[in-house]
Amino acid sequence: EPEVTQTPSHQVTQMGQEVILRCVPISNHLYFYWYRQILGQKVEFLVSFYNNEISEKSEIFDDQFSVERPDGSNFTLKIRSTKLEDSAMYFCASSEAIAGGQETQYFGPGTRLLVL
Amino acid sequence: AQTVTQSQPEMSVQEAETVTLSCTYDTSESNYYLFWYKQPPSRQMILVIRQEAYKQQNATENRFSVNFQKAAKSFSLKISDSQLGDTAMYFCAFRDEQTGANNLFFGTGTRLTVIP
Repeated sequence: EPEVTQTPSHQVTQMGQEVILRCVPISNHLYFYWYRQILGQKVEFLVSFYNNEISEKSEIFDDQFSVERPDGSNFTLKIRSTKLEDSAMYFCASSEAIAGGQETQYFGPGTRLLVL
Repeated sequence: AQTVTQSQPEMSVQEAETVTLSCTYDTSESNYYLFWYKQPPSRQMILVIRQEAYKQQNATENRFSVNFQKAAKSFSLKISDSQLGDTAMYFCAFRDEQTGANNLFFGTGTRLTVIP
């Protein structure tokens, strides 16, 4: 069964450095998402992406974040100048559509980011 | 803003017994979707069951069923004949049906342990 994959599984970085988290959504899916979960807290929405542009973003998704679909398969989240509070598990998800019974989001295994 | 509350941070159940995980939500919308996701230890979140708010009939998937009480804004998950593989973190999630607003709102999760 097709799955969302994410790389790396773990990333350690120094505060102020840039990181890129990578995701490969399910191949026939059109909508892509990033969520994050700070340790001990709930999973929070960051951004959704459709047709090569951001369709929705949360207050968390400020100017230090950006997303890109550089080719036909990858979907990336870039964090510029990481902060200590960016330490979290980052989940990528994809869905075939947003309605009509095809709106279920399928999640990747996550990337655990630790900012030192 | 939509909020999702899971009031049971941890639960345990004996193998083969039945357990119910609670979830309440707050919304002013009339059409929306509700989901239960399961996150086994060190593995990705997978969809357990989903419910459309306009459907009065409670969703059922094998041993998993929900008790959807729209007026009470309650969406509990019942797991029958619990198995060791059901040990996981369970997240309740909400999504409204509004076009473009396709992000999920999650609860804080319930850690379920199935005891042999």
